[in-house]
Amino acid sequence: DVKVTQSSRYLVKRTGEKVFLECVQDMDHENMFWYRQDPGLGLRLIYFSYDVKMKEKGDIPEGYSVSREKKERFSLILESASTNQTSMYLCASSFLGKGETQYFGPGTRLLVL
Amino acid sequence: GQNIDQPTEMTATEGAIVQINCTYQTSGFNGLFWYQQHAGEAPTFLSYNVLDGLEEKGRFSSFLSRSKGYSYLLLKELQMKDSASYLCAVNPNDYKLSFGAGTTVTVRA
Repeated sequence: DVKVTQSSRYLVKRTGEKVFLECVQDMDHENMFWYRQDPGLGLRLIYFSYDVKMKEKGDIPEGYSVSREKKERFSLILESASTNQTSMYLCASSFLGKGETQYFGPGTRLLVL
Repeated sequence: GQNIDQPTEMTATEGAIVQINCTYQTSGFNGLFWYQQHAGEAPTFLSYNVLDGLEEKGRFSSFLSRSKGYSYLLLKELQMKDSASYLCAVNPNDYKLSFGAGTTVTVRA
């Protein structure tokens, strides 16, 4: 079974703090993705990576950065957290190629005060 | 941009059938996915359609018409555990998915 894990289920941070969210997958997938999920808006892609050290912006990259130093690990960084970044963050991974299924982690619910 | 539309909410009775529609307008098409997401949990893969027609998997079926930009997910013999959000997602090009906002299905006894 594919397993995607995220470092925290719940996080509470202060405005201006630097926040790290980590994701690890154990299926040797080339692609990894970070989404945020907000009520009524669905899943929106923040960044994705198709290889180590490679990254591409998604639909809403502003205020975020990412790091992929190892194939199995993809980190999302909020350089200076703001209250409008309060959300559910979901990581996913898939094999390279069109039409490949994405497998999701359990999510991190982030509250920025 | 990509446009994926699905109803916000649906309610049905245990044992009944519910059909969740999804319409899409995207820059390309490499397939359509349906995911199930229980409250507070990760989305889990249900089905993938890339060719026109009906794919059946037990109580769940998914249909695709590429010419109409339309898909539906059919849930038969509804059970209480089917209460969840159902997400329609299109792979327009390369590796990315574009998601609809999701349909929350509530199953009542």
